[in-house]
Amino acid sequence: GEDVEQSLFLSVREGDSSVINCTYTDSSSTYLYWYKQEPGAGLQLLTYIFSNMDMKQDQRLTVLLNKKDKHLSLRIADTQTGDSAIYFCAEIGGYQKVTFGTGTKLQVIP
Amino acid sequence: DTGVSQDPRHKITKRGQNVTFRCDPISEHNRLYWYRQTLGQGPEFLTYFQNEAQLEKSRLLSDRFSAERPKGSFSTLEIQRTEQGDSAMYLCASTARGGANVLTFGAGSRLTVL
Repeated sequence: GEDVEQSLFLSVREGDSSVINCTYTDSSSTYLYWYKQEPGAGLQLLTYIFSNMDMKQDQRLTVLLNKKDKHLSLRIADTQTGDSAIYFCAEIGGYQKVTFGTGTKLQVIP
Repeated sequence: DTGVSQDPRHKITKRGQNVTFRCDPISEHNRLYWYRQTLGQGPEFLTYFQNEAQLEKSRLLSDRFSAERPKGSFSTLEIQRTEQGDSAMYLCASTARGGANVLTFGAGSRLTVL
């Protein structure tokens, strides 16, 4: 199967770090992605990681990939209220099919 | 380039009617995807085109759903004999071949079936 699983909800205080986790099942995925969806808006790419990498850092974002456990995480440092959104992880499988997780709603408390 | 355009943005229809959505991808993108998203869920893959060829179609997609991309540019998604369970946001995304296959999404077409 190609189920991508995420926890549904995460609440953090402003200034703290947020860690959003994802488990995927397609071991052949060449890329794994994090997309962000703000209320009433479309999905936008946040970052992605190539499958031969363990970590990718981009400003406040750190992506960790554990291929053995098929686990992907997104860490947001110094979380701001503007980071409140739904975060989706996604994997790309055969025939370039991109499968999304159910999404994690991040709530940032001021 | 204005990004990925979808039309209409909102469609209200009665059960049993047919509806058609249109997607205009970014002009240089040859890959086009359709997804369905319901409240509280992630985007559910429906189908995918590379140029005019439909390369993948979800097993969950009933025969009432059909998609085309006749000239490898815009695409249409038609739902025949709509049911209330078809109410959802229909998302279109496009990407260029090669590289990281990053999807650019349109704003979506919201379908409400009464």
